[in-house]
Amino acid sequence: NAGVTQTPKFRVLKTGQSMTLLCAQDMNHEYMYWYRQDPGMGLRLIHYSVGEGTTAKGEVPDGYNVSRLKKQNFLLGLESAAPSQTSVYFCASSYGGRWGQPQHFGDGTRLSIL
Amino acid sequence: AQTVTQSQPEMSVQEAETVTLSCTYDTSENNYYLFWYKQPPSRQMILVIRQEAYKQQNATENRFSVNFQKAAKSFSLKISDSQLGDTAMYFCAFIRTDKLIFGTGTRLQVFP
Repeated sequence: NAGVTQTPKFRVLKTGQSMTLLCAQDMNHEYMYWYRQDPGMGLRLIHYSVGEGTTAKGEVPDGYNVSRLKKQNFLLGLESAAPSQTSVYFCASSYGGRWGQPQHFGDGTRLSIL
Repeated sequence: AQTVTQSQPEMSVQEAETVTLSCTYDTSENNYYLFWYKQPPSRQMILVIRQEAYKQQNATENRFSVNFQKAAKSFSLKISDSQLGDTAMYFCAFIRTDKLIFGTGTRLQVFP
């Protein structure tokens, strides 16, 4: 059972470089999410999607872009990485929030920006 | 604004004992859902328990149970017969419609 798969698991970037984090889910979930986790701050929502072709901003969207071209994939992009974006990034998916469906999380990506 | 507060940054408990983690939240909504997630050192986010706000009965999952006090907006997690594998960060979370709002977490250490 793959569930939610994130790639890569680790990455080191230099300031100003760009990269894309990939999230794939095989549970046919409509909703997908990207979070960042920083020490002492819990998880904060960056962007989310309620279906293929849709995206919406979360709590901390600045400096990130997302795309949901296929239902099973949700991409998070950093166009010009900054040290403040050093964090652990989690992707999650669910059937939706209306009925309190729990979110299923990937294993996270540790990203360091030098 | 909807917020979730976990006032205990760290807690410890001896193996086989019981521990309670606190969580309070703030919302003006009447129908919502609450969760506890566990994050062990492996970094995975694992769902522990789920509570529906319109249900009076407290949710239980084996050794894990909640004390849900809707009027007080309190949602504490009780872990009975603590095990070494319960050592982890525990996050309380609140959801309505699309978004999960997390607390800042409580780090639980279980000692032998």
